[in-house]
Amino acid sequence: GENVEQHPSTLSVQEGDSAVIKCTYSDSASNYFPWYKQELGKRPQLIIDIRSNVGEKKDQRIAVTLNKTAKHFSLHITETQPEDSAVYFCAASRGGAQKLVFGQGTRLTINP
Amino acid sequence: NAGVTQTPKFRVLKTGQSMTLLCAQDMNHEYMYWYRQDPGMGLRLIHYSVGEGTTAKGEVPDGYNVSRLKKQNFLLGLESAAPSQTSVYFCASSYGDHNQPQHFGDGTRLSIL
Repeated sequence: GENVEQHPSTLSVQEGDSAVIKCTYSDSASNYFPWYKQELGKRPQLIIDIRSNVGEKKDQRIAVTLNKTAKHFSLHITETQPEDSAVYFCAASRGGAQKLVFGQGTRLTINP
Repeated sequence: NAGVTQTPKFRVLKTGQSMTLLCAQDMNHEYMYWYRQDPGMGLRLIHYSVGEGTTAKGEVPDGYNVSRLKKQNFLLGLESAAPSQTSVYFCASSYGDHNQPQHFGDGTRLSIL
């Protein structure tokens, strides 16, 4: 089955700097890669997702890149703000009977 | 439009007691999921359902049972609670299959003493 590894487990950046979180997956047939943000004590919420027919997707300050050959995808947050502090989860699935598999999460802290 | 609603929000049980967690969604989603979240473990799938009347095991199903008698509801049961089941439980739903965005409830914080 699919296995998703996420790095780093914790990340601390200065406000205004960029943050990058990387995930690797094992199943080359996976074709859906969402990212969820979970603020302290809150529910996980989808912030961006990408499908395997595109290499990059942007939404304002966040972007996700996908490298199918290397089987990894990354979340990029530019011009970080205090409200970006949260735990971020990546996930992967190839659909059909294969369930979405989550990474372990990255705790991002934005320092003022 | 409330989305995904979980009840209760908090609960404390004694070892051996039973309880049921309720999840309700008003988005007409076919797929529903139960996850548990423990520190450093991410989200682990307990059971899921691909439609009314169906259930299937996820990654960590032992000690839990589920039922999907109505499309909008997905119940998670603990027959004989154990301290290892102390966790935060999240319900989620999605339209279509596993390759669609999942919408999560606010979670239930469950402590087993």
